[in-house]
Amino acid sequence: EPEVTQTPSHQVTQMGQEVILRCVPISNHLYFYWYRQILGQKVEFLVSFYNNEISEKSEIFDDQFSVERPDGSNFTLKIRSTKLEDSAMYFCASSEEWGANIQYFGAGTRLSVL
Amino acid sequence: SQQGEEDPQALSIQEGENATMNCSYKTSINNLQWYRQNSGRGLVHLILIRSNEREKHSGRLRVTLDTSKKSSSLLITASRAADTASYFCATDSSYYTGANSKLTFGKGITLSVRP
Repeated sequence: EPEVTQTPSHQVTQMGQEVILRCVPISNHLYFYWYRQILGQKVEFLVSFYNNEISEKSEIFDDQFSVERPDGSNFTLKIRSTKLEDSAMYFCASSEEWGANIQYFGAGTRLSVL
Repeated sequence: SQQGEEDPQALSIQEGENATMNCSYKTSINNLQWYRQNSGRGLVHLILIRSNEREKHSGRLRVTLDTSKKSSSLLITASRAADTASYFCATDSSYYTGANSKLTFGKGITLSVRP
C-alpha cells in the first residue's frame, strides 16, 4: 500500500542551525501538508501546498519556515534558524483532492533542538 | 473555544468491551475524520464521515455524526489490547471557512485496553 515517507525519523540540532525535513508524498497525490505536534499537545496545522505554491499557512509558519517541492517526488520543510520551541514531531501529509478527502500522514520526524 | 474537543481524555477498558469516544466541535464542517496514533508514531487514518452522513461503519468501528449538536462519536466494538493508542478527531471546514483544506485536531483520547 502506498505510504508517505519521512526522513530522518529523528533530527537533533543546535539552536540557531538550519534543518530540512524531508517527505515523499504518495505518488499520485497533488496536495501536501505539514503539521507539528509538540510533546503532549495537539497536532497543529502548519502549511498546505499545491501546484508549487503555498495555499494556506498558520500563524506558526513564520518567516523562519519555508517549504519546497524541489522535484517530482520530494516535499521539504526548512527551518532557517531553529529555536528551542521548534522541538516537536513534524508530520507530512498528502491527499488526492482538495477538501473532503483523506489526508495520509507519514510517521513523522522528531526534531530536537538543543 | 477550540475545534475538535474529545472526551473522555483517557479511557481504560477490559479487552472485549466496547470503547466509546466523543468529539465536539464549534464551526460548520465539511467532514470529520478519526485518526489513531500509537505512542511516538504517526497518525493512521481510521474513518471519514461527511457532513451529510449520520453514521458510518468500518470493521469494528462505528462513527456517528450529529451536525445539529456539532458532535461525533467513535465506537470500537470488541476491543483488543492492540487498540491501545491515542485517538484524535479532526475536522475539515474547508468548504465553509473559505480556507483551503486543513485538518483541525482535538487533544486526543488515550485508550488503554487491558488484556
